[in-house]
Amino acid sequence: SQTIHQWPATLVQPVGSPLSLECTVEGTSNPNLYWYRQAAGRGLQLLFYSVGIGQISSEVPQNLSASRPQDRQFILSSKKLLLSDSGFYLCAWSPSTEAFFGQGTRLTVV
Amino acid sequence: KQEVTQIPAALSVPEGENLVLNCSFTDSAIYNLQWFRQDPGKGLTSLLLIQSSQREQTSGRLNASLDKSSGRSTLYIAASQPGDSATYLCAVIMIYNQGGKLIFGQGTELSVKP
Repeated sequence: SQTIHQWPATLVQPVGSPLSLECTVEGTSNPNLYWYRQAAGRGLQLLFYSVGIGQISSEVPQNLSASRPQDRQFILSSKKLLLSDSGFYLCAWSPSTEAFFGQGTRLTVV
Repeated sequence: KQEVTQIPAALSVPEGENLVLNCSFTDSAIYNLQWFRQDPGKGLTSLLLIQSSQREQTSGRLNASLDKSSGRSTLYIAASQPGDSATYLCAVIMIYNQGGKLIFGQGTELSVKP
């Protein structure tokens, strides 16, 4: 069966520090991969999605970037975190027509 | 641009009640619609997936319907239980550039009182 791993679960980082969140999927090949952010009390905002290695689409201009170095690996990064980057980050994968989510990373920028 | 709206934003009901959560979307050219449950501080758990050619899906006490022409979906929960307390999110799946992406509503926070 397919599983999705996302880490770390919780992260506290100072303003201006770099960020790297990793997501990996097992049990499938060539999945569509997504990064979402959920700010406190708000819905999910799509940040990036990828249909294949090296193919990244950005949904909103921001301080973040994404990369897909391997078929089942999706990385969310920032060179310098802002306070506004705080939130709950979720990775998702989709075989085609439905999506499955990781457990999320709670990021607090202080 | 696709927009997804969920009503109500919050709902509190006594245990045992049947309830309906609403989801509407502006662009009817969706591929599928998916309902999720999110417990506080946790990731999303998929509840039901309705393909665009379907009208409804059922799983246990949950029933989701889809009316593409009117841009609406409802999630019906029968005989609610305190364990049903969570945030319920609907998402429409759009196909772009040979890939699908989910566009979410803001969610309905449900509280079921014992």
